Amino acid sequence: AQSVAQPEDQVNVAEGNPLTVKCTYSVSGNPYLFWYVQYPNRGLQFLLKYITGDNLVKGSYGFEAEFNKSQTSFHLKKPSALVSDSALYFCAVRDFLYNFNKFYFGSGTKLNVKP
Amino acid sequence: DAGVIQSPRHEVTEMGQEVTLRCKPISGHDYLFWYRQTMMRGLELLIYFNNNVPIDDSGMPEDRFSAKMPNASFSTLKIQPSEPRDSAVYFCASSKEGDRGEPLHFGNGTRLTVT
Repeated sequence: AQSVAQPEDQVNVAEGNPLTVKCTYSVSGNPYLFWYVQYPNRGLQFLLKYITGDNLVKGSYGFEAEFNKSQTSFHLKKPSALVSDSALYFCAVRDFLYNFNKFYFGSGTKLNVKP
Repeated sequence: DAGVIQSPRHEVTEMGQEVTLRCKPISGHDYLFWYRQTMMRGLELLIYFNNNVPIDDSGMPEDRFSAKMPNASFSTLKIQPSEPRDSAVYFCASSKEGDRGEPLHFGNGTRLTVT
């Protein structure tokens, strides 16, 4: 079965410091991995994806993510956090093998960036 | 593009009443998904359509829930009769066929409160 895990319910970081939001995955076949962000009272917004190629992918708002096949991880990172980055972040994997159109979402990580 | 449009944004109703949630996907998208978000269960896929045809409704919780897509630009999710445990945020999302890297595009959701 395909799944993703976000081990931290909440991450706290000071503005200007680097941030990492963790995600691990379990898939059969090649992983198609995504990060989304959700601001209050809004839908999920696509940030970035890994399909193939370079293990470091860059996305919107200065975010990037590192794909690590040996550790089955896809951690979201940003070199310098902003207060406006405070939001709920979801990791997702697209089912490659059984049902291509299904996305499996993690439970979400709340990011708090303090001034 | 206006993105995925959902209406209403908020719905408050009494137990036993019928509730209809509406969604307009992005023009040209072949897939439409209905998700439900709660604190306890996170994001749950309820049903998805391909070219207006329901493909997988295994996530629909009960017979009280039904979804239709009469044309490529409109879908409804109906709950009849509604119960307090149906209170949640319901999201509609759409995507294009053919590109495995294509992300889901979410609407801003309908917050349903059943009293």
